[in-house]
Amino acid sequence: AQKITQTQPGMFVQEKEAVTLDCTYDTSDQSYGLFWYKQPSSGEMIFLIYQGSYDEQNATEGRYSLNFQKARKSANLVISASQLGDSAMYFCAMREFANAGGTSYGKLTFGQGTILTVHP
Amino acid sequence: DADVTQTPRNRITKTGKRIMLECSQTKGHDRMYWYRQDPGLGLRLIYYSFDVKDINKGEISDGYSVSRQAQAKFSLSLESAIPNQTALYFCATSDPGTASGYTFGSGTRLTVV
Repeated sequence: AQKITQTQPGMFVQEKEAVTLDCTYDTSDQSYGLFWYKQPSSGEMIFLIYQGSYDEQNATEGRYSLNFQKARKSANLVISASQLGDSAMYFCAMREFANAGGTSYGKLTFGQGTILTVHP
Repeated sequence: DADVTQTPRNRITKTGKRIMLECSQTKGHDRMYWYRQDPGLGLRLIYYSFDVKDINKGEISDGYSVSRQAQAKFSLSLESAIPNQTALYFCATSDPGTASGYTFGSGTRLTVV
């Protein structure tokens, strides 16, 4: 079974500084995908970034980058130049494959979440 | 209009009542999911469906049932609501051929009193 662990219940960062949110995972699959979602106080789930297990380079999307260390089974989210609007809950998630051939993408397993607070 | 629509957005119900949460999508995705979010526990999978004739239990299906009425519709029912089912519920869809192709609804905040 897949497992995602986020060990930081809460994080604080000063505006304009960078922050790293930790995520470790456990899976026996050779092929998998890792996601980060943002959940503001309004409740919706906002997709931030995706990393495939065979992607050679770390994923980046604007101010978001995913520090993927396969051997250590970690997929940390780095937010550069934090903004007040980055204050939210952040979830790490893993996608499994729905079939043995690994060509059909299935359900997501989520971590517990990290609440990020950006101070002015 | 949203790609994945959940109704109602908020609901307060009494213990023992039957309640249905509805989800409809315009993404054309075959795969649909119901998740529950509780503080400190993240999102946990209740049920999922890979097509109209395929329904599967997730990790916390006890006390819940689902119905896949059509490709676009996936409903979650609480047969007899209890207070510890108070949570934020999300419906999601996915494209099996797209690695990152998941779409979430806006959520239903359910309170059981």
